Amino acid sequence: GENVEQHPSTLSVQEGDSAVIKCTYSDSASNYFPWYKQELGKGPQLIIDIRSNVGEKKDQRIAVTLNKTAKHFSLHITETQPEDSAVYFCAAAPWGGATNKLIFGTGTLLAVQP
Amino acid sequence: DTGVSQNPRHKITKRGQNVTFRCDPISEHNRLYWYRQTLGQGPEFLTYFQNEAQLEKSRLLSDRFSAERPKGSFSTLEIQRTEQGDSAMYLCASSWDPGEKLFFGSGTQLSVL
Repeated sequence: GENVEQHPSTLSVQEGDSAVIKCTYSDSASNYFPWYKQELGKGPQLIIDIRSNVGEKKDQRIAVTLNKTAKHFSLHITETQPEDSAVYFCAAAPWGGATNKLIFGTGTLLAVQP
Repeated sequence: DTGVSQNPRHKITKRGQNVTFRCDPISEHNRLYWYRQTLGQGPEFLTYFQNEAQLEKSRLLSDRFSAERPKGSFSTLEIQRTEQGDSAMYLCASSWDPGEKLFFGSGTQLSVL
């Protein structure tokens, strides 16, 4: 089955700096890679996703890159702000077929220092 | 459309008691999922429904767990004879169709004493 590893587990940056979180996956059939942001006491919120037919996707300060050959994908947050502080989860799945279960990484606690 | 709604937000129960959680998905979303999340971990898949049909169950879902989605609308997750190991955040999520974006509710935090 799919296994997703996520690094680092904690990340502290100064406001305005960039943050990068990396994930690797094991199932070559995975074709969907979403990123979720989770604040304390809340459910995960989808912030960006990418499918395997695309190498990079950007949405304002957030971007995701995918390397299918190496089976890894990354989240890039530029010009970080204190409100970006949260736990970020990557996930992977062979999405859209008979089985649709996202496998999540273990999360990265991002702290943006003002 | 107010998103995925879960009730209650918190539940404290004694070991051995039964508990039931409710999830109302985003209107007209066909797929409904249950996940469990323990402290410091990512969500783990439990089960999912396509309309009213339960299509897959994880090995994490022991015989004490049962989920239903009557009429393909809201869903309930029941845990019988709760154990301390059941303490976790139970998350519900929904999507329009297979292959579409998955949206989560705020979860039900279960504490078994």
